[in-house]
Amino acid sequence: DAKTTQPPSMDCAEGRAANLPCNHSTISGNEYVYWYRQIHSQGPQYIIHGLKNNETNEMASLIITEDRKSSTLILPHATLRDTAVYYCIVLNSGGSNYKLTFGKGTLLTVNP
Amino acid sequence: GAVVSQHPSRVICKSGTSVKIECRSLDFQATTMFWYRQFPKQSLMLMATSNEGSKATYEQGVEKDKFLINHASLTLSTLTVTSAHPEDSSFYICSAGLGVLGQGIYGYTFGSGTRLTVV
Repeated sequence: DAKTTQPPSMDCAEGRAANLPCNHSTISGNEYVYWYRQIHSQGPQYIIHGLKNNETNEMASLIITEDRKSSTLILPHATLRDTAVYYCIVLNSGGSNYKLTFGKGTLLTVNP
Repeated sequence: GAVVSQHPSRVICKSGTSVKIECRSLDFQATTMFWYRQFPKQSLMLMATSNEGSKATYEQGVEKDKFLINHASLTLSTLTVTSAHPEDSSFYICSAGLGVLGQGIYGYTFGSGTRLTVV
């Protein structure tokens, strides 16, 4: 399984962009990068996923480097409700590695 | 779409009793369900994977006789914590895989979790 490395915590000012990095240097060609977040005492919430190209949806943008060894999740205008633990997960959902395995994630604190 | 309803959200039980947690997929058929456990200030730990109509596959170190998983239909999976002890107190979360195992799971949707306290 490809492993991911994330900073344990980050702070962001409300209204500013939050950029959360993730290293996945051992990712293989058919593995996707998924991002989930968990607000305290709730189930994880899907944010976005991608393979090679950058992706954007109503919640966030995902920037994947050309060599695919790292990625950045961008919350363009962070709000206090975005305070959560953010998990970067590498997964081959079509193959044998279909289990979503969570690391320690990054605790993002959005400050007023 | 793709909502998983998990009940109860909180439960307190006496040591030695059993507790059942239910997860229902409301608007889709969940062929594959995953069960996680999360202790305070820790990440989610996968306990087991269940496929509809088959026996669950447990992760290493998880006692299958203590954590009984039933996935008898495409819309309901249950986790029963048998003979609960205080060390079983935890946050239990289910997740449904969107797609079919072996053919491709393209997403995962999570229940809201169950806070179990054993006294």
